[in-house]
Amino acid sequence: GAGVSQSPSNKVTEKGKDVELRCDPISGHTALYWYRQSLGQGLEFLIYFQGNSAPDKSGLPSDRFSAERTGGSVSTLTIQRTQQEDSAVYLCASSLKTDFYGYTFGSGTRLTVV
Amino acid sequence: SQQGEEDPQALSIQEGENATMNCSYKTSINNLQWYRQNSGRGLVHLILIRSNEREKHSGRLRVTLDTSKKSSSLLITASRAADTASYFCATVPNDYKLSFGAGTTVTVRA
Repeated sequence: GAGVSQSPSNKVTEKGKDVELRCDPISGHTALYWYRQSLGQGLEFLIYFQGNSAPDKSGLPSDRFSAERTGGSVSTLTIQRTQQEDSAVYLCASSLKTDFYGYTFGSGTRLTVV
Repeated sequence: SQQGEEDPQALSIQEGENATMNCSYKTSINNLQWYRQNSGRGLVHLILIRSNEREKHSGRLRVTLDTSKKSSSLLITASRAADTASYFCATVPNDYKLSFGAGTTVTVRA
C-alpha cells in the first residue's frame, strides 16, 4: 500500500488477556520499528527489524512482549497476559534505508487494558 | 533510553511568529530527523539532516546541526494554526537504532 498500515486502530482488552497488533509496512522497506507511546510521553523503542538480520529486541519491557516479522514484510507484536500499564499507543514505522530516508509511521494502535 | 532531548517542553506563540526548538543528544550520529505528531497518533517525517551537513531547509522549516555540541535546532517561520503539534527529534546513531526525545509541544494562537 501507499503507507504503513496498522490494525486494529483501537483495542480494548481485559487485564490478563493476550493481544496481537499488526503492522503492514510499505512494500520493499527493509527496516521496521515498533515503538510505544504512553499518554503525553515520548516514544519508547521496543524492537527493530532490519532485513534478514536477527531483530534488536533490547527495548521489549518484559518477556510478555514478543514480535515477529514474517517474510520480511508484515510484523505482529504480541502482548501476553496484558496489564494496565501496557495501555498506550503502539506505533510501527518502516524505512527503505536508514541512513538516507526518514521513517514512515503508521497511525498506531491505541491499546486500553481495563 | 532516550538519546535526544528537546527544549523547551512546551512553546506557545502567536500566528505569524517564528518557533524555535532545540534538541541535544549524547552519542555520535549518522543522521538526525525531526518529526511532527498531531493528536497523539502517527508521526510525520519533516526533515533529515546528515552528520556532515550543518543546515537544511524545507519550505518554512530550517534545521541546523552542530555535531561538536551534539545539538540541533528546528525553526518554523511564519507559524500557522496548523503547525500546532508535538515535534520530536530523532537521532540515528551508527547502529541505526532510531531514538526519540520527549518532544516539544507547540501551540500556535490565532
